[in-house]
Amino acid sequence: KAGVTQTPRYLIKTRGQQVTLSCSPISGHRSVSWYQQTPGQGLQFLFEYFSETQRNKGNFPGRFSGRQFSNSRSEMNVSTLELGDSALYLCASSPVGDLGNTIYFGEGSWLTVV
Amino acid sequence: DAKTTQPNSMESNEEEPVHLPCNHSTISGTDYIHWYRQLPSQGPEYVIHGLTSNVNNRMASLAIAEDRKSSTLILHRATLRDAAVYYCILRRSGSARQLTFGSGTQLTVLP
Repeated sequence: KAGVTQTPRYLIKTRGQQVTLSCSPISGHRSVSWYQQTPGQGLQFLFEYFSETQRNKGNFPGRFSGRQFSNSRSEMNVSTLELGDSALYLCASSPVGDLGNTIYFGEGSWLTVV
Repeated sequence: DAKTTQPNSMESNEEEPVHLPCNHSTISGTDYIHWYRQLPSQGPEYVIHGLTSNVNNRMASLAIAEDRKSSTLILHRATLRDAAVYYCILRRSGSARQLTFGSGTQLTVLP
């Protein structure tokens, strides 16, 4: 069974640009969530999507957005990039069910803003 | 929100058992205790989870205190590949798939 796949793995963008990151969850998983990891702030929750609807959102500005498609694949977008957006962006998927379900993470997308 | 407290770092010798502690004194009755680990340059990896009873799997064991205010992740024989940051996380009711990561414990395994 394929794991969570994120693309691209590495990218460099310039301040003011926008970026779109893609995530393919494990087959059959309908919940997809996104996290940002930086050395200073650690791992922080961005948002979660289920059945194409955003169910939870972390404390991030509106420049950070996402969506989920009918096949459960998800994208996140960051507009007007700032230097502080340089981070590892992680996607995670999980099956529906109780709180005991495992959440599976992808390898992440490394974003550098210059 | 329920919070966990872990030591910043721990060291272990290779092939010896490692006990990684976690305090979660404000845990609620429906919070599951999850452990994840993150190897360098990788996404977090699920290790184990439990609710009330001790749990074992091929990677580790989870010992949960009777009052559930603390837990211990046990790696029975540490290997160099177990060097990672270990996160103890409570799955909060109502935000089932939102994990709140603390700073975790950096485990160093010495050869």
